[in-house]
Amino acid sequence: EDKVVQSPLSLVVHEGDTVTLNCSYEVTNFRSLLWYKQEKKAPTFLFMLTSSGIEKKSGRLSSILDKKELFSILNITATQTGDSAVYLCAANSNYQLIWGAGTKLIIKP
Amino acid sequence: NAGVTQTPKFQVLKTGQSMTLQCAQDMNHNSMYWYRQDPGMGLRLIYYSASEGTTDKGEVPNGYNVSRLNKREFSLRLESAAPSQTSVYFCASSERPMGETQYFGPGTRLLVL
Repeated sequence: EDKVVQSPLSLVVHEGDTVTLNCSYEVTNFRSLLWYKQEKKAPTFLFMLTSSGIEKKSGRLSSILDKKELFSILNITATQTGDSAVYLCAANSNYQLIWGAGTKLIIKP
Repeated sequence: NAGVTQTPKFQVLKTGQSMTLQCAQDMNHNSMYWYRQDPGMGLRLIYYSASEGTTDKGEVPNGYNVSRLNKREFSLRLESAAPSQTSVYFCASSERPMGETQYFGPGTRLLVL
């Protein structure tokens, strides 16, 4: 059975800290790994990763994929209160996205 | 350019009632999706439409039906609502057929009593 597991489930840090969110996957016919950010409502796209070891970066956010060990990490440096959200990862398996339960990140001022 | 819109935003139903959730996108996307999101379980795919004129079951289709009315609109129907269908429902679309970069609507919160 395809599955995506995220850890930790929740995380509370102070503004300025660096955080690392984890996503492991076991899916058939893996095509890509995606990260989304969900604030109050709709998830919004952050990254899509298809190749191992190549870091994707957008401002203070970066992500990398390890296809041998079947996991991805999302790093956020110099966190801000606006980074508070649920971060979702999803694995593309046979052209369908299999979603993790998410990591709820709370940034305290 | 509104992106993906959903109606209603919130609905309360009694067990056994029926309703249709509406979704429309104005990005000329090929594929559309219906998900449900429950606490601690992430998003689960109910039905999807890879292209206009086609629909397919996702992971949790039981109790639901869909209609891809045209390229813009994709509706989700609950024929006889059950408390287990209490959830937040998201519609999404993607440009490429079954593409990974999906754009989500704001969600419909459904409570079945």
